[in-house]
Amino acid sequence: GQQLNQSPQSMFIQEGEDVSMNCTSSSIFNTWLWYKQEPGEGPVLLIALYKAGELTSNGRLTAQFGITRKDSFLNISASIPSDVGIYFCAGQPITGNQFYFGTGTSLTVIP
Amino acid sequence: DAGVTQSPTHLIKTRGQQVTLRCSPKSGHDTVSWYQQALGQGPQFIFQYYEEEERQRGNFPDRFSGHQFPNYSSELNVNALLLGDSALYLCASSSGPYYSYNEQFFGPGTRLTVL
Repeated sequence: GQQLNQSPQSMFIQEGEDVSMNCTSSSIFNTWLWYKQEPGEGPVLLIALYKAGELTSNGRLTAQFGITRKDSFLNISASIPSDVGIYFCAGQPITGNQFYFGTGTSLTVIP
Repeated sequence: DAGVTQSPTHLIKTRGQQVTLRCSPKSGHDTVSWYQQALGQGPQFIFQYYEEEERQRGNFPDRFSGHQFPNYSSELNVNALLLGDSALYLCASSSGPYYSYNEQFFGPGTRLTVL
């Protein structure tokens, strides 16, 4: 199956700092999604991206669909303690309908 | 309005046994997808059910099977359990099989432990 490389694997930051994480694939994708998962819960969709170069915001979160269509980026500005969780990217390749998830970035925010 | 519900929340089985997990989709949704999430990994797509038929399938062996009922709820069955089947099993529901992912909602998952 498709491999999505997500980095960094984990982040420990101070409250108020900005966060950046990214996801890369070996093939071209036509949709990128970013999810957040908290302990004991399923993933919750944060942002969906549908075309190369697209930049979409959801509050303090901003995500971009890379122009090569092989990567995506998520930024969180002015982090707060409730941002803690695991952030997953997911992408859909140009062939097939299935979505593939990255391995996740674990975010810890220190008050 | 209840979201996606899954049962049981936790389950412990031994190798070789069979297990059935259950999912009720969000009200108004008719499509159910199942995912396996191993510890420290992202979810992996198992299969999707729509109109009581399997519409798509990921790279999982035939030991994994499913069913969708007329009320859109779904079951995931795993036969001949292996230690490697230990994972969080997630159900996601949506409206229609070719859905906008803005409308896919995940349940809290069932934690399966195989001893």
